[in-house]
Amino acid sequence: QVQLVQSGAEVKKPGASVKVSCKASGYTFTGFYMHWFRQAPGQGLEWMGWINPNSGDTDYAQKFQGRVTMTRDMSINTAYMELSRLRSDDTAVYFCARDVIQWGLRREFDYWGQGTLVTVSS
Amino acid sequence: DIQMTQSPSSLSASVGDRITITCRASQSIRSYLNWYQQRPGKAPKVLIFAASSLQSGVPSRFSGSGSGTDFTLTISSLQPDDFATYYCQQSYTSPPTFGQGTTVEIK
Repeated sequence: QVQLVQSGAEVKKPGASVKVSCKASGYTFTGFYMHWFRQAPGQGLEWMGWINPNSGDTDYAQKFQGRVTMTRDMSINTAYMELSRLRSDDTAVYFCARDVIQWGLRREFDYWGQGTLVTVSS
Repeated sequence: DIQMTQSPSSLSASVGDRITITCRASQSIRSYLNWYQQRPGKAPKVLIFAASSLQSGVPSRFSGSGSGTDFTLTISSLQPDDFATYYCQQSYTSPPTFGQGTTVEIK
């Protein structure tokens, strides 16, 4: 069965960086784009970008350009999202989610990680 | 970016009620509209793809309709598990965007 398991909660100071991992199992990791989202407390869902695990190509939302880096390690079927220069308004739950279509991009999401709470506080 | 607007923002209903949630896009998105359910503290779960296609395993009491700019999600007979927040999301163009959510609460 498809599973996406994310790393644990993080507490960071303003200006620091955080790196969240998303380990995939139960399917061909390189065959499906991986997307990242975040959800601030009590707020809706915000798309941050995607990575093609096969090629390493990425596309980031304009809002996060210059601060976000998405990478992957094919040897351990894991995707990563690193956000730098953290601010208090980056406090949120961060999710990874798989695109629905193999070898393509449909921007529809069928499997999600459990979420990782990142708290930014001095 | 395409703006997605849901209404209402919240509603109170009883088990067995029929409810409808509306989602409007700021421009035509054809049928590239998806619905997700999110329970507190959990990840979203997809219910419907392409405006009206039920995801495998989702109960048939959920249905979706619409095209262009106006869409609806209907739950024909609310069950206790259905009290949650529902989001619409457009997949017509990048960036994918979500509505602000509709919270369904127990009356």
